[in-house]
Amino acid sequence: DIRMTQSPSSVSASVGDRVTITCRASQGISNWLAWYQQKPGKAPKLLIRAVSSLQSGVPSRFSGSGSGTDFTLTISSLQPEDVATYFCQQANSFPQVTFGQGTRLEIK
Amino acid sequence: QVQLQQSGPGLVKPSQTLSLTCGVSGDSISHNGVAWNWMRQSPSRGLEWLGWTYYTSRWYNEYAESVKGRITINPDTPKNQFSLQLNSVTPEDTAVYYCCRGSYRTFDYWGQGTLVTVSS
Repeated sequence: DIRMTQSPSSVSASVGDRVTITCRASQGISNWLAWYQQKPGKAPKLLIRAVSSLQSGVPSRFSGSGSGTDFTLTISSLQPEDVATYFCQQANSFPQVTFGQGTRLEIK
Repeated sequence: QVQLQQSGPGLVKPSQTLSLTCGVSGDSISHNGVAWNWMRQSPSRGLEWLGWTYYTSRWYNEYAESVKGRITINPDTPKNQFSLQLNSVTPEDTAVYYCCRGSYRTFDYWGQGTLVTVSS
């Protein structure tokens, strides 16, 4: 199985801050990387697919980058409604996909 | 707008069968190129893909190695829904179970989630 490791496991930032979350794959996954946002008690929501392709309706302050084994989710200006847990997902070995363990984002 | 609505019991006894159903509206489960999946999420295992069913000329299934042999996912075309059966459950199968639609190797529409507890 391809292991996905996210860092940090939690982050606290102020409204307006730039926030970066990293995801590392245990082997190369080409561009088969997606990001999800999950709010408490809710299902995950797809934000980004194929490293950097924003889903319809997702605010442009979210962006993704990376290649090979190292990927990044960036929120350019943190908003209160962005409080959530964020997960990366590899799809290189689709359908045997795997997810990162999650990064909890809080407001200072 | 695609919507998935889950139903099924939240408590299952050890060694018995977990059964959940996912009703789909706004799309057809026979839609070529789209897969209908079951996932689960627990503190110990994180988010875990369990399996899918999809139609392209005929129905196909594929299951995660971790549950293969215990899992069945069945489509119900007339009702536009699909189901999950997981046999011989143990407390380790306690989790929130989600159904979701798969497209372009990602999961773009999700059900509301069902907490299933395995306990006597």
